Amino acid sequence: GAGVSQSPSNKVTEKGKDVELRCDPISGHTALYWYRQRLGQGLEFLIYFQGNSAPDKSGLPSDRFSAERTGESVSTLTIQRTQQEDSAVYLCASSSLSVGEQYFGPGTRLTVT
Amino acid sequence: GEDVEQSLFLSVREGDSSVINCTYTDSSSTYLYWYKQEPGAGLQLLTYIFSNMDMKQDQRLTVLLNKKDKHLSLRIADTQTGDSAIYFCAESRGGATNKLIFGTGTLLAVQP
Repeated sequence: GAGVSQSPSNKVTEKGKDVELRCDPISGHTALYWYRQRLGQGLEFLIYFQGNSAPDKSGLPSDRFSAERTGESVSTLTIQRTQQEDSAVYLCASSSLSVGEQYFGPGTRLTVT
Repeated sequence: GEDVEQSLFLSVREGDSSVINCTYTDSSSTYLYWYKQEPGAGLQLLTYIFSNMDMKQDQRLTVLLNKKDKHLSLRIADTQTGDSAIYFCAESRGGATNKLIFGTGTLLAVQP
């Protein structure tokens, strides 16, 4: 079956603009995660969705970052008033809670100029 | 703290074994994972081990867990050039979120 997909694959934006990143999880996976990977570093957890429960937003670095997910479908990560330090690869993962393994999408490479 | 530490670089010859090491900090971790990241690609789950296990073998991969020392290792037997990639260990603390805490990654370079 299809894996996790993300769009766009690359995004270049000017400092101060808003961007929206999209994630399509694996069908049937109830949990969805967003991570950020800065150049040469490991992944940082951003936010977690599980069904209709309140999301865990503990990893969001500032109030410029927000994310939504409707039910068990697509999620969007929005970054407002982008800054150069927001440049990174943003990775989405989904999992079936009963198993726990997280399957990652290819990521969106965001460059803020 | 939440640090998961890995050495940055490992170079081996094709056909040799590779051992990639990782230390983590949280003794309550439930699962520990190894992911592979090839250039320009997403993360690929290689294998994982539950925290009550000492060892797990999966074809050329062997995972060893020393829970007392909070040390995890990944051994790749008969390393091939296609194994060249960045390898990340990650710990999962379970609970409601099951978020992963990742190490900084080890770049494995396989010399022909």
